Amino acid sequence: EVQLVESGGGLVQPGGSLRLSCAASGFTFSTYAMTWVRQAPGKGLEWVSAISGSAEKIYYADSVKGRFTISRDNSKNTLYLQMDSLRVEDTAVYYCANGKDVGDMDVWGKGTAVTVSS
Amino acid sequence: SYELTQPPSVSVSPGQTARITCSGEALPKKYSYWYQQKSGQAPVLVIYEDNKRPSGIPERFSGSSSGTMATLTISGAQVEDEADYYCYSMDSSGNHGVFGGGTKLTVL
Repeated sequence: EVQLVESGGGLVQPGGSLRLSCAASGFTFSTYAMTWVRQAPGKGLEWVSAISGSAEKIYYADSVKGRFTISRDNSKNTLYLQMDSLRVEDTAVYYCANGKDVGDMDVWGKGTAVTVSS
Repeated sequence: SYELTQPPSVSVSPGQTARITCSGEALPKKYSYWYQQKSGQAPVLVIYEDNKRPSGIPERFSGSSSGTMATLTISGAQVEDEADYYCYSMDSSGNHGVFGGGTKLTVL
């Protein structure tokens, strides 16, 4: 069974940093693209960033480019999202999802909540 | 920036057909995907690559795409289908994913 488990969320002050992790199991992690999606309280889904299986393709939403860094460790079956210079508007539940290619999102984790507030 | 446009809400009675549309300029060249999100839960893929249904998704869910519009159809909607539905695609460059604003489906 495919499982994705996000962790690392929490409360952080504006301007601070946080690193999210997504632990994957039940599929061959290195052959799948991975995506981060977020959802602000009461709002819709927002695509954040995606990375191909071998990390040769990496893409970011304009709203996070230059502040967030996506990466993966295929030896640990883990996806990461390093979030720097956090803003109040980054407050959201962050989900990771897998897919056959960048742009695909098949199975999603349950999400981890990030709150940016002073 | 690229946008996908969905109606905010759709309402049907149980057993009726619900149709949710999604319009976007790049849809003639890019696949559409549909996600169902029930209250307090993570999204679930219900249609991929315009019209394919993942295993475990009921046959009453179908998708189509023509020109700049993609459509999710729920034939014989059930009360348990009440949820927010989001369409998703990539922009024309293939470098950015985009979600529609979401459609709240009410079945009662």
